[in-house]
Amino acid sequence: QVQLVQSGGEVMRPGASVKISCKTSGYTFTAYYVHWVRQVPGQGLEWMGIINPASGKTTYAQKFQGRVTMTRDMSTSTVYMELRSLRSEDTGVFFCARDPIGGSGPDFDYWGQGALVTVSS
Amino acid sequence: DVVLTQSPLSSPVILGQPASISCSSSQSLAHSDGNTYLSWLQQRPGQPPRLLIYKTSRRFSGVPDRFSGSGAGTDFTLQISRVEAEDVAIYYCMQGTERPITFGQGTRLEIK
Repeated sequence: QVQLVQSGGEVMRPGASVKISCKTSGYTFTAYYVHWVRQVPGQGLEWMGIINPASGKTTYAQKFQGRVTMTRDMSTSTVYMELRSLRSEDTGVFFCARDPIGGSGPDFDYWGQGALVTVSS
Repeated sequence: DVVLTQSPLSSPVILGQPASISCSSSQSLAHSDGNTYLSWLQQRPGQPPRLLIYKTSRRFSGVPDRFSGSGAGTDFTLQISRVEAEDVAIYYCMQGTERPITFGQGTRLEIK
């Protein structure tokens, strides 16, 4: 069955970097984009960016440009999201979600369980 | 960026009664490929979002048929024909027609 399993929560100091993994299984890794979405506590959903696992090509939301890097490891079907220069406002839950390349099916149909990142001194 | 505005932000409903949530877009969500990439997500407390409806009106696999989506252009609606206790959640509309992908602010469905 399709699964996106994320790494665990982290507590980080301001100014540090965090790298979250999203290990996929149960489908063809290169057939689906992976998006990253942030949810600040008690607030809504915010799109961070997208990676095409087939090519490695990324597109980032302007808000995160320069601070975020999304990468993939083809050998383990895992996608990573690194966010640098963390500040307290970055505290939130980070989700990965898949989206079919070519738009032939439902987008955002499977999500990771989320990873809570707490930024605190 | 495309702004999605949901209404109401909170919806108290009686079990067994219908519920409706609106999502208005700041621009048309019709894509040049002929699709309209407007989705509806359900999020229960402590859970990741769950896809209910995609491409405006297509129900995702396993979603009860009491959920339906409709609309076109800039105005969209999620309808629940008969609310059940398990439907208590926050509902978000999401557009994927334009980058960046954007979400509505969420509508909290609660039992009256």
